[in-house]
Amino acid sequence: DIQMTQSPSSLSASVGDRVTITCRASQSISRYLSWYQQRPGKAPKLLIYAASTLQSGVPSRFSGSGSGTDFSLTISSLQPEDFATYFCQQSSTIALTFGGGTKVEIK
Amino acid sequence: QVQLQESGPGLVKPSETLSLTCSVSGGSISTSDYYWGWIRQPPGKGLEWIGTIYSGGSTFYNPSLKSRLTISADTSKNQVSIRLTSMTAADTAVYYCARVCSPGHYNWFDPWGQGTLVTVSS
Repeated sequence: DIQMTQSPSSLSASVGDRVTITCRASQSISRYLSWYQQRPGKAPKLLIYAASTLQSGVPSRFSGSGSGTDFSLTISSLQPEDFATYFCQQSSTIALTFGGGTKVEIK
Repeated sequence: QVQLQESGPGLVKPSETLSLTCSVSGGSISTSDYYWGWIRQPPGKGLEWIGTIYSGGSTFYNPSLKSRLTISADTSKNQVSIRLTSMTAADTAVYYCARVCSPGHYNWFDPWGQGTLVTVSS
């Protein structure tokens, strides 16, 4: 299986901050990467697919980049509703795997 | 707009079999445009892909669950189901179903059901 490692596992930030979360794959996955946001007690929500394509309806302050083994999710100006846990997911192999998650907390 | 809703028992005894159903509304599960997947999340932990059922009924399972797992579809009811045998405490989790969008080699989950908590306890 391809292992997905996210860093950091948690971070504290303030409203308005620029935040970047990274996701590293144990082998090259081209651009077969998606990002999800999960608010407490809720189901995950798709933010980005194909490494950098913003899902319809997702605010433009979210962006994704990367290819191969290293990827990042950036929130350009953190908003109160962005405090949540973020997961990456690879689909390079048919056995899909997720990263361990990054919890974004209020400073 | 497609919506998914999981249903099933909230409590299962150790060694028993879990059966969950995902009811899909706003779209047909028979479409070849999408597949249907299951994902679980132990309390306070990360996400684990369980398996996917493709159009035509073929399936692919997480290798770690393959020996205990069956995913099926009932097109007449527009439902997808999961059956997991020999349940243990390690299977305690919120179970989600989700639509799998799969253009080319890509696979992503959107949307998700609200999830259902399954606790394994005697």
